Amino acid sequence: SYELTQPPSVSVSPGQTARITCSGDALPKQYAYWYQQKSGQAPVLVIYKDSERPSGIPERFSGSSSGTTVTLTISGVQAEDEADYYCQSADSSETWVFGGGTKLTVL
Amino acid sequence: QVQLVQSGAEVKKPGASVKVSCKTSGYTFTTYTIHWVRLAPGQRLEWLGWVNAGNGHTKYSQKFQDRVTITRDTSASTAYMDLSSLRSEDTAVYYCAREDVGFDYWGQGTLVTVSS
Repeated sequence: SYELTQPPSVSVSPGQTARITCSGDALPKQYAYWYQQKSGQAPVLVIYKDSERPSGIPERFSGSSSGTTVTLTISGVQAEDEADYYCQSADSSETWVFGGGTKLTVL
Repeated sequence: QVQLVQSGAEVKKPGASVKVSCKTSGYTFTTYTIHWVRLAPGQRLEWLGWVNAGNGHTKYSQKFQDRVTITRDTSASTAYMDLSSLRSEDTAVYYCAREDVGFDYWGQGTLVTVSS
């Protein structure tokens, strides 16, 4: 299996833009997914197939991809966005992997 | 509405096995794959494996393939995850999740504590 690398933490003030990156060698060939996990809760899918947003997810969440890096962008961060964020992808053998997670702190 | 409801918390001794269930409702069970993921204290989300609820085929993480068995009962719309030879590092919250485009619905999580 391969690895996905995320920064351990990102901090922003309310109203600013947060960007969380995820790097992996297979990302040019495989879609990435992003999950938000708040303390004590199950993860929630916020972006699928690199840049698609599920219904019910606020428009301030967006995703992009460039080469071996995908990025989750949260525009106009709100206090309720404070959480751990994980990227995820699959490899060609149908196994899945998560990144190490990024703790988003809203100052 | 789609729901995945997991069995309750477990406390096990080292070397024992644990079986966690994931009962689904609100959709056609055999149409989707069910995955199992865990979150240990201070660790990252970790993928254990999946079962194709339609044909029963499975795939496991290399890290767990000697100890994990994932099955399903189509008559009960339920998936199961069995983890054997438990050790303290297996203490974690275990989740089941349905795969559509990404893991779109999750169970509430089951805390498994391994302690002597």
